[in-house]
Amino acid sequence: AQSVTQLGSHVSVSEGALVLLRCNYSSSVPPYLFWYVQYPNQGLQLLLKYTTGATLVKGINGFEAEFKKSETSFHLTKPSAHMSDAAEYFCAVNTGFNEKLTFGTGTRLTIIP
Amino acid sequence: GAVVSQHPSWVICKSGTSVKIECRSLDFQATTMFWYRQFPKQSLMLMATSNEGSKATYEQGVEKDKFLINHASLTLSTLTVTSAHPEDSSFYICSAIAGHAGNTIYFGEGSWLTVV
Repeated sequence: AQSVTQLGSHVSVSEGALVLLRCNYSSSVPPYLFWYVQYPNQGLQLLLKYTTGATLVKGINGFEAEFKKSETSFHLTKPSAHMSDAAEYFCAVNTGFNEKLTFGTGTRLTIIP
Repeated sequence: GAVVSQHPSWVICKSGTSVKIECRSLDFQATTMFWYRQFPKQSLMLMATSNEGSKATYEQGVEKDKFLINHASLTLSTLTVTSAHPEDSSFYICSAIAGHAGNTIYFGEGSWLTVV
């Protein structure tokens, strides 16, 4: 079984500042890791994913995440926050294709003007 | 990218009635779809895995007779909430595996159900 822990249910950053959303996972086999963003009253949009290969993954909207096996982490970062980044962010894990995702509890990102 | 569409986006129904929510993969075939439920300000809870041409696999604690799932084609899965009650009010989201896109899981826009 696998699990995901997102540290910090709420994160606030100033516009233009670095965004860092933390995600740690637990898995007995090599994980596939995902970050999704959810805007109010909408479904989830895939930001980026890691399956195999390069550990630094670049996604949409300037976000990136680095898979660190030794730290069992997959933190999401963006160098400069924009007002439009305000949303709920979910980290998720599965262990293979066609397998269900296990989600973290989510982190609400607020951008301060 | 792959597109998953849900319908309706919003639905209000009376207590005791049934309501059907559709999930369609618009530009790809999906042998596997997933149904989630999300309460306000909470994470997604997997309800069931829907497999084309076979019975859905329900997660522990989910009533299969209340939440009927049908995956009759490679592009359509439906969730029917039977004999709905106010506690069934929630945001329901489906997702589908896009095999042509590296088996990435794409999500629908979600459906708000309010039972009055």
